[in-house]
Amino acid sequence: DAGITQSPRHKVTETGTPVTLRCHQTENHRYMYWYRQDPGHGLRLIHYSYGVKDTDKGEVSDGYSVSRSKTEDFLLTLESATSSQTSVYFCAISDRVDTEAFFGQGTRLTVV
Amino acid sequence: KNEVEQSPQNLTAQEGEFITINCSYSVGISALHWLQQHPGGGIVSLFMLSSGKKKHGRLIATINIQEKHSSLHITASHPRDSAVYICAVLSYNTDKLIFGTGTRLQVFP
Repeated sequence: DAGITQSPRHKVTETGTPVTLRCHQTENHRYMYWYRQDPGHGLRLIHYSYGVKDTDKGEVSDGYSVSRSKTEDFLLTLESATSSQTSVYFCAISDRVDTEAFFGQGTRLTVV
Repeated sequence: KNEVEQSPQNLTAQEGEFITINCSYSVGISALHWLQQHPGGGIVSLFMLSSGKKKHGRLIATINIQEKHSSLHITASHPRDSAVYICAVLSYNTDKLIFGTGTRLQVFP
């Protein structure tokens, strides 16, 4: 299995609080992605990174920020969580854009 | 209309049946992925293909680029095949994956 770990796996937080999700990889892959998965939707891209300190927005980036200070770690931050951000969040990695992607186990976030 | 459509949305089968899940897309693609997600679990890559056919064990994936269509077949289905199967295409224009909403498969003994 690809070495990709998400933490925490589950989190319940209150509206208005900041939340940071971590994705850690041991594969030295260049690309890292954060997706959210919601009923009735396919996975949707929040932000992605194509190298250390190189990040860009996806289709649903409002309310989220990311950072990648090391190859192995990609952090997703909700600056002020809202109930609409209740979702399951997946991190993915790939060596190139056109190669197989490997996904983490997911983080279930509930904002109350 | 979604750029990636899967059918059926839900599928039930008896153990041993041959199963087909379909994926149609409307954008130009560089590759197509089939993924598997077990309940409460992570997402696992099954296939990545850009032409023709690939086989892994009881799973077969085909793609027809001209018709913008792919199928995932499961031969001799088993209850452990019960999962959500997700089709995703790598957009030629954006280099980003576009995901279908998944097909939920339940295989009963």
